[in-house]
Amino acid sequence: EPEVTQTPSHQVTQMGQEVILRCVPISNHLYFYWYRQILGQKVEFLVSFYNNEISEKSEIFDDQFSVERPDGSNFTLKIRSTKLEDSAMYFCASSGLGLNTEAFFGQGTRLTVV
Amino acid sequence: SQQGEEDPQALSIQEGENATMNCSYKTSINNLQWYRQNSGRGLVHLILIRSNEREKHSGRLRVTLDTSKKSSSLLITASRAADTASYFCATPWTGAQKLVFGQGTRLTINP
Repeated sequence: EPEVTQTPSHQVTQMGQEVILRCVPISNHLYFYWYRQILGQKVEFLVSFYNNEISEKSEIFDDQFSVERPDGSNFTLKIRSTKLEDSAMYFCASSGLGLNTEAFFGQGTRLTVV
Repeated sequence: SQQGEEDPQALSIQEGENATMNCSYKTSINNLQWYRQNSGRGLVHLILIRSNEREKHSGRLRVTLDTSKKSSSLLITASRAADTASYFCATPWTGAQKLVFGQGTRLTINP
């Protein structure tokens, strides 16, 4: 069964450093997303990406964040200068077109900023 | 907000019993999706129910949707220890593809 894969599973970084989280969405999906979940809190939407551009972003997704689809398979989230409060589980997801399509999530990258 | 809110926040039952979790939302939706999250792990898609559907089954899972009450329920029958997880409902934001998640129900199945 096709799945969304994310790497790394766990990343520890120093405050102020740049991190890149990587995702390989399901191959025939057209919408890609990043969500995050701070420990003990709900899953929050960060950004959606369609047709090689951001289709929507939340207030959380400020200038420190960027997304890219560098090739036909990878989808990345970059945090330019990490802060302690960026520590969270980051989930990548993908879905097809249409109003009633499921979104499938990866296993997540646990980012710890120290 | 358009958030789904689950009820109860935590549920502890004996193995073999049925578990029921509820979700309420605030605005019109095209569908509602249920996800499971094992501790510290990813979100696993369980079931999608469309707004014109009232009930849907998948194995031991039964989901209902009442659009007049803006609520949904997830029933897990004959629970197993492996069902221990957090369960979330999620609704698409109106006119957009993003999902809005509730706080989740933390389900514990006691052997």
